[in-house]
Amino acid sequence: DVKVTQSSRYLVKRTGEKVFLECVQDMDHENMFWYRQDPGLGLRLIYFSYDVKMKEKGDIPEGYSVSREKKERFSLILESASTNQTSMYLCASFRGVGYEQYFGPGTRLTVT
Amino acid sequence: GESVGLHLPTLSVQEGDNSIINCAYSNSASDYFIWYKQESGKGPQFIIDIRSNMDKRQGQRVTVLLNKTVKHLSLQIAATQPGDSAVYFCAENISGTYKYIFGTGTRLKVLA
Repeated sequence: DVKVTQSSRYLVKRTGEKVFLECVQDMDHENMFWYRQDPGLGLRLIYFSYDVKMKEKGDIPEGYSVSREKKERFSLILESASTNQTSMYLCASFRGVGYEQYFGPGTRLTVT
Repeated sequence: GESVGLHLPTLSVQEGDNSIINCAYSNSASDYFIWYKQESGKGPQFIIDIRSNMDKRQGQRVTVLLNKTVKHLSLQIAATQPGDSAVYFCAENISGTYKYIFGTGTRLKVLA
């Protein structure tokens, strides 16, 4: 079974804090994604990585950065958390174009 | 657990009845489509997929229908069970790209 794991299920941070969200997949997938999920908006792509150290901006990259130092791990960084970044964050990986994405359980981040 | 979407359209069905969930996709260049199930507080889980060279695909208790003429996708669940209660959303993959577009979802409630 494909497993995508995320470091935290729930996280509460203060405005201005630096936040790290970690994602690990065990299927040797080259491609990994970070999305945020908000009510009524569906999943929106923050960043995508197609190989180690390679990344592309998604639809809403502002306020976020990413790191992919190892194939299995993809980190999302909020340099200075703001209240509008309160959301559910989902990590996903997949084999390639035309294949399904496998999602982690999500991290519910609250910024106060 | 957290609600995925507070204002989602809701479909209520009696246990044992069939359910039909619809999705209008947006991009005529999309050639691969997926249905996901998301239970409260969990990440999306793959249910079934279909490629654009097909009109219908069946799985265990689920069938996906694709109508490319009107850009419509539907998910049929046979003999709906309480464990089917969740949010269901579709995803489309734009041909040859890593871009997936996700629907906002429909909440399925199974009544005992």
